[in-house]
Amino acid sequence: GQQLNQSPQSMFIQEGEDVSMNCTSSSIFNTWLWYKQDPGEGPVLLIALYKAGELTSNGRLTAQFGITRKDSFLNISASIPSDVGIYFCAGRLEYGNKLVFGAGTILRVKS
Amino acid sequence: DAGITQSPRHKVTETGTPVTLRCHQTENHRYMYWYRQDPGHGLRLIHYSYGVKDTDKGEVSDGYSVSRSKTEDFLLTLESATSSQTSVYFCAISKTSGSSYEQYFGPGTRLTVT
Repeated sequence: GQQLNQSPQSMFIQEGEDVSMNCTSSSIFNTWLWYKQDPGEGPVLLIALYKAGELTSNGRLTAQFGITRKDSFLNISASIPSDVGIYFCAGRLEYGNKLVFGAGTILRVKS
Repeated sequence: DAGITQSPRHKVTETGTPVTLRCHQTENHRYMYWYRQDPGHGLRLIHYSYGVKDTDKGEVSDGYSVSRSKTEDFLLTLESATSSQTSVYFCAISKTSGSSYEQYFGPGTRLTVT
């Protein structure tokens, strides 16, 4: 099936640092979504991107839809302890309603 | 809050027994999805529905069946549970309209097959 390569697999950073993660694929996507999952809960949608080159912010989070439509990036500025969790990217292929998910980036923050 | 509930939230069952998980939504959305989540694999689509009685397979559908007799309910059945089906199962709905394909997830069901 289709695959999304999400990196890094995990990050352990100091509170206040900025964080960057990305997803890449060999396939073209029409939609990119970024989710955060806290332990024991379902993923929560953070940001949705619909156009190549689009840059969208949600508070301290900024995500970009890559120009080639094969990648997306998520940045978190000035991390805080509550940013801890697993972040997933998801892409929708050119046709259909199904999403493909990355394996996730585990974020840990040292306070 | 996307108005999605899942039941049960936790279940332990024995190999070979049938198991049904329920997803209920309160907002009348057309699309519903079942995923399983396993370490290192992210979320993988099992089955999805695009309307009452309209369902289709995802990438990991073997050993699972689904039914949707009402808009608000989407059932996932493990016909004969195996240990490889121990996982966390998530239901999602899609507020598909125009160019929006965002999916919203329920709280999950943790299933253990012994």
